[in-house]
Amino acid sequence: AQKITQTQPGMFVQEKEAVTLDCTYDTSDQSYGLFWYKQPSSGEMIFLIYQGSYDEQNATEGRYSLNFQKARKSANLVISASQLGDSAMYFCAMREAKGGTASKLTFGTGTRLQVTL
Amino acid sequence: DTGVSQDPRHKITKRGQNVTFRCDPISEHNRLYWYRQTLGQGPEFLTYFQNEAQLEKSRLLSDRFSAERPKGSFSTLEIQRTEQGDSAMYLCASSPWTSGGQETQYFGPGTRLLVL
Repeated sequence: AQKITQTQPGMFVQEKEAVTLDCTYDTSDQSYGLFWYKQPSSGEMIFLIYQGSYDEQNATEGRYSLNFQKARKSANLVISASQLGDSAMYFCAMREAKGGTASKLTFGTGTRLQVTL
Repeated sequence: DTGVSQDPRHKITKRGQNVTFRCDPISEHNRLYWYRQTLGQGPEFLTYFQNEAQLEKSRLLSDRFSAERPKGSFSTLEIQRTEQGDSAMYLCASSPWTSGGQETQYFGPGTRLLVL
């Protein structure tokens, strides 16, 4: 079973509008972390935002916010006031604690966001 | 503060040749990770180091793959007898891991390998 599911292969959004990128996850751990990364065509993975499983508030970083619904196991990324430079692949990833030694990230298949004029 | 760097950025090789990639992490980051990303997929974990110790290897890391981090700073990933299926982007990431803290991995630009 996939641990991270991103059901939107591609999304379009008009400049200055907000967009939500979906992410659901599967884990039996109580302690885990959720991440969103942006990957432009150049290939580098750029860290955007982090949400810990025990965090009570939704994470925010500038124009990025994470809509964390623990019971539904979803961690959607909201980008407000989209800009042309936001066009990229976006990946949701999870880190499970597993005794504090396993820190690898498990990634979804990504969503390609295209911002239009 | 310089980010994670990887060298080379692109590599084209013939099947059966050996290749070696280098990753320089952010200074003072004690953890270093290698991932592989094929077209249309998210990155997949290969292996990681804490300082110079290799703590975990994925089953994706066949016997032809070897990684080192001899002095706990830069790391190398070597692929012996390359196969066309090894064609992928190889990503390196580093993190300032501390017990109980949030660990964010910062990625380099990747090495894109094409095996002909």
